[in-house]
Amino acid sequence: AIQLTQSPSSLSASVGDRVTITCRASQGFSSALAWYQQIPGKPPKLLIYDASSLETGVPSRFSGSGSGTHFTLTISSLQPEDFATYYCQQLNSYPLTFGGGTKVEIK
Amino acid sequence: QLQLQESGPGLVKPSETLSLTCSVSGGSISSNDYYWAWIRQPPGKGLEWIGSIYYSGNTYFNPSLESRVSMSLDTSKNQFSVRLTSVTAADTAVYFCARGRGGADYWGQGTLVTVSS
Repeated sequence: AIQLTQSPSSLSASVGDRVTITCRASQGFSSALAWYQQIPGKPPKLLIYDASSLETGVPSRFSGSGSGTHFTLTISSLQPEDFATYYCQQLNSYPLTFGGGTKVEIK
Repeated sequence: QLQLQESGPGLVKPSETLSLTCSVSGGSISSNDYYWAWIRQPPGKGLEWIGSIYYSGNTYFNPSLESRVSMSLDTSKNQFSVRLTSVTAADTAVYFCARGRGGADYWGQGTLVTVSS
């Protein structure tokens, strides 16, 4: 199974900051990676699929990049509603796996 | 607009079987363009993929649960289900159903299942 390691596990940032979250895979694959945002008490929300494709309705301040074993999610200018936990998920091969999550908190 | 809704017991006794159903409205589950998945989240922890099922009947499961889990589709009711046998306290979690293709784009709200006597 492909293991995904997210870093950092948590971060503190201010509104307007640029934030980058990393997801590293134990085996390389091309682009079958998704990013989700989860607010407490809510289901995850799909932000990015195929590593860099923005899901319909997701603000353009979110972007994804990467391939192989290194993927990133970037929020270009953090907004108050972006304070949440973010997860990566690989869909390259079964079993599907999630990263451990990155909690973005207010500084 | 596609909607998914989980249903099932909120409390299950240890060693018994957990059964949940996901009712889908606003679209049909009878398409091989998507997979239908169950994901769970223990309180305060991260997401764990349980398994996926396709309209073709193909299923894929988390190896850590494979000996205890099964999934099925009921196209007449536009529902899909999961069964997890021999549950323990470690199976206490919020269980989500979801539709996926490049990623899971529609999710149910989740249902908390507690395993306790």
